[in-house]
Amino acid sequence: AQSVAQPEDQVNVAEGNPLTVKCTYSVSGNPYLFWYVQYPNRGLQFLLKYITGDNLVKGSYGFEAEFNKSQTSFHLKKPSALVSDSALYFCAVRDPGFQKLVFGTGTRLLVSP
Amino acid sequence: GAVVSQHPSWVICKSGTSVKIECRSLDFQATTMFWYRQFPKQSLMLMATSNEGSKATYEQGVEKDKFLINHASLTLSTLTVTSAHPEDSSFYICSAQGQGAPLSTEAFFGQGTRLTVV
Repeated sequence: AQSVAQPEDQVNVAEGNPLTVKCTYSVSGNPYLFWYVQYPNRGLQFLLKYITGDNLVKGSYGFEAEFNKSQTSFHLKKPSALVSDSALYFCAVRDPGFQKLVFGTGTRLLVSP
Repeated sequence: GAVVSQHPSWVICKSGTSVKIECRSLDFQATTMFWYRQFPKQSLMLMATSNEGSKATYEQGVEKDKFLINHASLTLSTLTVTSAHPEDSSFYICSAQGQGAPLSTEAFFGQGTRLTVV
């Protein structure tokens, strides 16, 4: 069965500093991996995905993530955080053999001025 | 491209009544739609998967008769919460997938619906 773990409920970072939001996954085959962001009372906005190819994936708003197969990780990163990045971030995995997307528990990112 | 519109954004209803939430793919054909429920400060819980023209597949523990899902066309799916009770109050989110990349590899989400049952 596919699963995703986001070990941190909350990540605090000062504006201008680099940020990392952690994600590890478990899936039987080669995974499709995603990061989404959610603002209060809104749906999910797509940030980036890894399907195949380069392990470093660049996405929206300056975010990037690195697929590490040996560590089964897909951590989200940004070189310089903005206060407006404060939101709830979800990592998700999909086994290509199945339709559904499995989400992690979410990590709240707080960027202080 | 790949826009999913969910309506209404919020709704308040009386206990015992039914509420219908619509999810539309505006610029692609959504062969598969998913309905999620999200409790405060929690992750998304998949309720059901629906393929156009077929009956929805419900996740374990989700009451089929309570949460009626219809996916009669390639651009519209509806979730009807029947005989709503306060414990059904939640944030409901739909997502859609289509055919061909990238529509088949990622899911596109609606804005969500905040349901409050009083």
